[in-house]
Amino acid sequence: SAVISQKPSRDICQRGTSLTIQCQVDSQVTMMFWYRQQPGQSLTLIATANQGSEATYESGFVIDKFPISRPNLTFSTLTVSNMSPEDSSIYLCSAIDATNEKLFFGSGTQLSVL
Amino acid sequence: RKEVEQDPGPFNVPEGATVAFNCTYSNSASQSFFWYRQDCRKEPKLLMSVYSSGNEDGRFTAQLNRASQYISLLIRDSKLSDSATYLCAVSPYGGATNKLIFGTGTLLAVQP
Repeated sequence: SAVISQKPSRDICQRGTSLTIQCQVDSQVTMMFWYRQQPGQSLTLIATANQGSEATYESGFVIDKFPISRPNLTFSTLTVSNMSPEDSSIYLCSAIDATNEKLFFGSGTQLSVL
Repeated sequence: RKEVEQDPGPFNVPEGATVAFNCTYSNSASQSFFWYRQDCRKEPKLLMSVYSSGNEDGRFTAQLNRASQYISLLIRDSKLSDSATYLCAVSPYGGATNKLIFGTGTLLAVQP
């Protein structure tokens, strides 16, 4: 089955700065998604990363705060912009495995904003 | 009402016990249903899909009740290694979007 490499695995950032998270899939996938999991909460979908076009954002998430790139079928980035402590969370990229059409995840990025 | 709801637990059960979790969903048009397992500080991993006819994999059985809009997960003969958070996930849309909405998870602690 396919594997997602996500980095960084964790970071501690100052408020007002930005962090870009990268995900690389070892095979081509059609759909990629970005989720957030805040402490004690479940996964909340941020956006669908569309290859070659603007991401599709869920209610409550905007491109200015969470710009997403997906230049090809195996790679995507999520930037958390102008961070505040409320952005402290685990960020997970995910993709649909073409072999079984099931959603699988990268290992996550633990972000702490001071 | 949340789109997908679960009892957060924790469910504390002894080894060997049988335990069941339910998960309710609000969108009657939902097409696909899954159970994921998430260990502490790890990413969720697919445990099993839930089909209309039910699905069994070893000690794990998943069922779908469309009339009452819930899915269930039954774990028989619980092992210590079953301790984890179990997340249900629902795809509220048909077609190929495969976007999943997750519940908050049910924490299971299997005691020796």
